[in-house]
Amino acid sequence: DGGITQSPKYLFRKEGQNVTLSCEQNLNHDAMYWYRQDPGQGLRLIYYSQIVNDFQKGDIAEGYSVSREKKESFPLTVTSAQKNPTAFYLCASTPRSTGGSTEAFFGQGTRLTVV
Amino acid sequence: AQSVSQHNHHVILSEAASLELGCNYSYGGTVNLFWYVQYPGQHLQLLLKYFSGDPLVKGIKGFEAEFIKSKFSFNLRKPSVQWSDTAEYFCAVNLLPRYSSASKIIFGSGTRLSIRP
Repeated sequence: DGGITQSPKYLFRKEGQNVTLSCEQNLNHDAMYWYRQDPGQGLRLIYYSQIVNDFQKGDIAEGYSVSREKKESFPLTVTSAQKNPTAFYLCASTPRSTGGSTEAFFGQGTRLTVV
Repeated sequence: AQSVSQHNHHVILSEAASLELGCNYSYGGTVNLFWYVQYPGQHLQLLLKYFSGDPLVKGIKGFEAEFIKSKFSFNLRKPSVQWSDTAEYFCAVNLLPRYSSASKIIFGSGTRLSIRP
């Protein structure tokens, strides 16, 4: 079955520690995205990547970093510089825009709690 | 700046009432448009999408939306809501640059819909 896998589902970390969230897709999609979902604020874009070895900052990139070494993988690191890291993180991917639909396919999400 | 606005943060309706949720975006280029729904405790689910052709699109569960290009709007409608429509609704826009197949998807802040039985 094709899809997006995020792991782990729940993650706890101590304040001051960096933590990396995994996102893998086998849909052969070119674009991948990381969003953060907080109550009342919708999904806010952290980083996105259109091709391997290239990525762009979204609206709230401060305190986060990403890499795109493989088409299938787009891990997100939440660094100690992120002031309010406790949130629900969603990874998504879309096919290349060639005139057809470019809807986003989502992973199941990772709930990160920093204590 | 590119953005998606959902002006209604919380809408409360009685069963059988008609629904319209607003969505406006700011971007001068080509877009694909989507509405997603998130039921309590569940994950995002695609309700409907527009990428070309007829600006009136129909989705699942009796929902429809109309793309009005001149107003940069993509409002979601349903003629008669049910208690099971209680959920959060998100409008999303994929911004498509003219000379690239790259894209960027941004979301509105969501509208919480509560239906009174």
